[in-house]
Amino acid sequence: GNSVTQMEGPVTLSEEAFLTINCTYTATGYPSLFWYVQYPGEGLQLLLKATKADDKGSNKGFEATYRKETTSFHLEKGSVQVSDSAVYFCALGGSYIPTFGRGTSLIVHP
Amino acid sequence: NAGVTQTPKFRVLKTGQSMTLLCAQDMNHEYMYWYRQDPGMGLRLIHYSVGEGTTAKGEVPDGYNVSRLKKQNFLLGLESAAPSQTSVYFCASSYRTAEQYFGPGTRLTVT
Repeated sequence: GNSVTQMEGPVTLSEEAFLTINCTYTATGYPSLFWYVQYPGEGLQLLLKATKADDKGSNKGFEATYRKETTSFHLEKGSVQVSDSAVYFCALGGSYIPTFGRGTSLIVHP
Repeated sequence: NAGVTQTPKFRVLKTGQSMTLLCAQDMNHEYMYWYRQDPGMGLRLIHYSVGEGTTAKGEVPDGYNVSRLKKQNFLLGLESAAPSQTSVYFCASSYRTAEQYFGPGTRLTVT
């Protein structure tokens, strides 16, 4: 079956540091890939997505590239802000039931 | 355009009581989902629906029932609440297998 593995947190960074959150997946076919963000006390919201191999999704300074050869969709941001503190979920689409990773908590200190 | 809304936002129940959580979406999505989120457990799918009048079990369906009588609404019922059902419940909807849109959550405590 499908599965998503993402790095465990929390990830703690200083403001303006570079961020990488790793995500790898196993799936049959060619699923869409998503990153969602959850701010404290809120529901998940879509951060970015990619629907085919080599696509790059980007939003709010975050980027992720759909790498079929390494089955990965790592999230990156060049300079994090305190306001980026949240939980980030990698997810796999393409079937009735999406598959979510466990989430990675990011804490950014001033 | 409200997106996905959930009612209520908070609720405290005693063991054995029943309640219904309401999810509504105004995006004309076919697919709707109910998840629970517990610390360290990520999101777990309770039930889902791929169209009006259809429902299916997810990963953790025991103790819950659902109904999808109208396309825009998806109801989650707890017939006899237990402390293990203390959680944050999220509803989501999607256009087929595209990205999901989540509601703000319902925080349920069962004492």
